[in-house]
Amino acid sequence: EVQLVESGGGLVQPGRSLRLSCTASGFTFGDYAMSWVRQAPGKGLEWVGFIRSKAYGGTTEYAASVKGRFTISRDDSKSIAYLQMNSLKTEDTAVYYCTRIPVTTVNSWFDPWGQGTLVTVSS
Amino acid sequence: SYVLTQPPSVSVAPGKTARITCGGNNIGSKSVHWYQQKPGQAPVLVIYYDSDRPSGIPERFSGSNSGNTATLTISRVEAGDEADYYCQVWDSSSDHNVVFGGGTKLTVL
Repeated sequence: EVQLVESGGGLVQPGRSLRLSCTASGFTFGDYAMSWVRQAPGKGLEWVGFIRSKAYGGTTEYAASVKGRFTISRDDSKSIAYLQMNSLKTEDTAVYYCTRIPVTTVNSWFDPWGQGTLVTVSS
Repeated sequence: SYVLTQPPSVSVAPGKTARITCGGNNIGSKSVHWYQQKPGQAPVLVIYYDSDRPSGIPERFSGSNSGNTATLTISRVEAGDEADYYCQVWDSSSDHNVVFGGGTKLTVL
């Protein structure tokens, strides 16, 4: 069974940093691009960014709202994707979902999704 | 940046057909994907590439995309279909590579 499990969420003060992890199982992690999507309380889905597989350079893309503050990385040997979040703002408060990008095209969908981890940025 | 517009809510009686729209400039030229999200749960893919269904998704779920509107159609609606539904596309013309619609709350009366 394909499974994604996020961890690392919690309460953090504005301006501080936090790193989320996404542990994958049930598929060959290194073959896939991975993405992070967030959802503020009571709001809709917002794409955060993604990282390509090593076969496609392992490069990253980010939403404008997080570019320069957030960094996505991956450790294929451990089947883990990371989201390093720096200079956190109160508006970054959200549930953060890890999700897989099943096909290597610019028109792909996201499937499956992890259960999410809540990040609360507050003083 | 590219914008996807969904109605905030749609209501339908059990056994009837629900149609949830997703509007965008020339969206017919893009591939549209749809997700279902029930309260407290992660999103689940229900339609990809405009009209394809993942395994395990009932045939009652279908999709179409043309012109400036994509549509998710749920036939013979059941109480268990009550959820938020989101459309999604990729927009490589801007920094917002991935765009989600604002979501539609489907209420089964």
